Amino acid sequence: DAGITQSPRHKVTETGTPVTLRCHQTENHRYMYWYRQDPGHGLRLIHYSYGVKDTDKGEVSDGYSVSRSKTEDFLLTLESATSSQTSVYFCAISESIAISGNTIYFGEGSWLTVV
Amino acid sequence: KQEVTQIPAALSVPEGENLVLNCSFTDSAIYNLQWFRQDPGKGLTSLLLIQSSQREQTSGRLNASLDKSSGRSTLYIAASQPGDSATYLCAVWLPTASKLTFGTGTRLQVTL
Repeated sequence: DAGITQSPRHKVTETGTPVTLRCHQTENHRYMYWYRQDPGHGLRLIHYSYGVKDTDKGEVSDGYSVSRSKTEDFLLTLESATSSQTSVYFCAISESIAISGNTIYFGEGSWLTVV
Repeated sequence: KQEVTQIPAALSVPEGENLVLNCSFTDSAIYNLQWFRQDPGKGLTSLLLIQSSQREQTSGRLNASLDKSSGRSTLYIAASQPGDSATYLCAVWLPTASKLTFGTGTRLQVTL
């Protein structure tokens, strides 16, 4: 299994509070991703990173920010959590982008409930 | 916008049966397609990756095929076992961005 650790694994928070999810990898992969998974929508990309301090938006980035100060860590922050952000969040890593055929590895997920 | 569809959403089969899961995508200009397995409460595990220039990939009892021109892929599972029960997702890489587009998955249950 790829060395990906997500924390916290489960969290309940109140509307309007900030929340930070952490993804830590031990594989030294260049690319890191944050996805959310919701019933009926599948997995959708929030943000991704292609190197230290290099990040870009995905398809559902509103209300989220990310930071990557070290190769191994990718943080996802909800500045002011809303109930619509209740979801399962997955971190993923890949060595390079698609054209090389490298596969992508996923963490175990972080369950976030905003009440 | 690339859309990925998986039908059926759920499938129940008796142990030992061969089965086919379907995945269709709207934009045939993909780099590759991956099939994943997801167990309840867990992350995704990559099963097979098919490059756009390939027609199929095999791993054990699994065989994935790709027909880019028709925008379709199938995952064939031979001699199904209860341990195959999981949700199976397909995903395609978009050529213009470093990301995967996922289908919503097929939930498979293999009964004794």
